[in-house]
Amino acid sequence: DAGVIQSPRHEVTEMGQEVTLRCKPISGHNSLFWYRQTMMRGLELLIYFNNNVPIDDSGMPEDRFSAKMPNASFSTLKIQPSEPRDSAVYFCASSFIAGELFFGEGSRLTVL
Amino acid sequence: KNEVEQSPQNLTAQEGEFITINCSYSVGISALHWLQQHPGGGIVSLFMLSSGKKKHGRLIATINIQEKHSSLHITASHPRDSAVYICAVSSRGGADGLTFGKGTHLIIQP
Repeated sequence: DAGVIQSPRHEVTEMGQEVTLRCKPISGHNSLFWYRQTMMRGLELLIYFNNNVPIDDSGMPEDRFSAKMPNASFSTLKIQPSEPRDSAVYFCASSFIAGELFFGEGSRLTVL
Repeated sequence: KNEVEQSPQNLTAQEGEFITINCSYSVGISALHWLQQHPGGGIVSLFMLSSGKKKHGRLIATINIQEKHSSLHITASHPRDSAVYICAVSSRGGADGLTFGKGTHLIIQP
C-alpha cells in the first residue's frame, strides 16, 4: 500500500485566497484525522471522521476552515479566505478501528 | 481535556548512550502513542500501547496506567535516532483524535 497520500506537499498563496488540501487514506481504514503543526502550538487535532462522518470538529479554528469526506478514499480541508496565521504543516492520518495511526507526509502551507 | 507533559524538552547525548524520554498525562486513557518526526519530515508511529511494555529493535516503550506515566527508551543510540519524539494519548484507542505532548528534541552525536 502507498500509505496516506497528501497533496499538495507545498503551497504558497496570498492572503485571501482559497486553499484546498487533499488526503487519500490507506485503503480499508475507517478513521481519518486532520492535524495542524506549528512551532508555537505543536500538533493539534482539527477534525476527525469515522466511516466518512465528521465526529469532532471542535479543533477547527473558525468558520474559514471546512473539511469534507465524500467517500472512504478521499478527504479535503479547505481554508477560505486564508490568512498568514494559517501558515503551518497540515497532516492527514488514518487508522483502522482504533488501531495504529498512519500519517501522510504533510502539506506545508505558507500564506503571504 | 488531557494534559500531556514530556521531559526532557531537549536532549543531547553521545552515540551508544541509553536514552530515556518520559511522558505523563492527567486523565485516564485507552492508549498512548509514541511518534517520531525527523527534521522537515513526516510523522511515524513507533508504538501504540495501553499496558505493559513493547519492544521493537532498539526501542522499548513502557506504560504505567496507575501512575499515568510512560517512558520511551533507546538502547545503543545512533546518530540516525536524532529526531523529535512525541507522546500522544487517546481516550478511545485511535478512534478519536490524539492529544499531543510538545515533543522531545533528541540529538545523538557521533
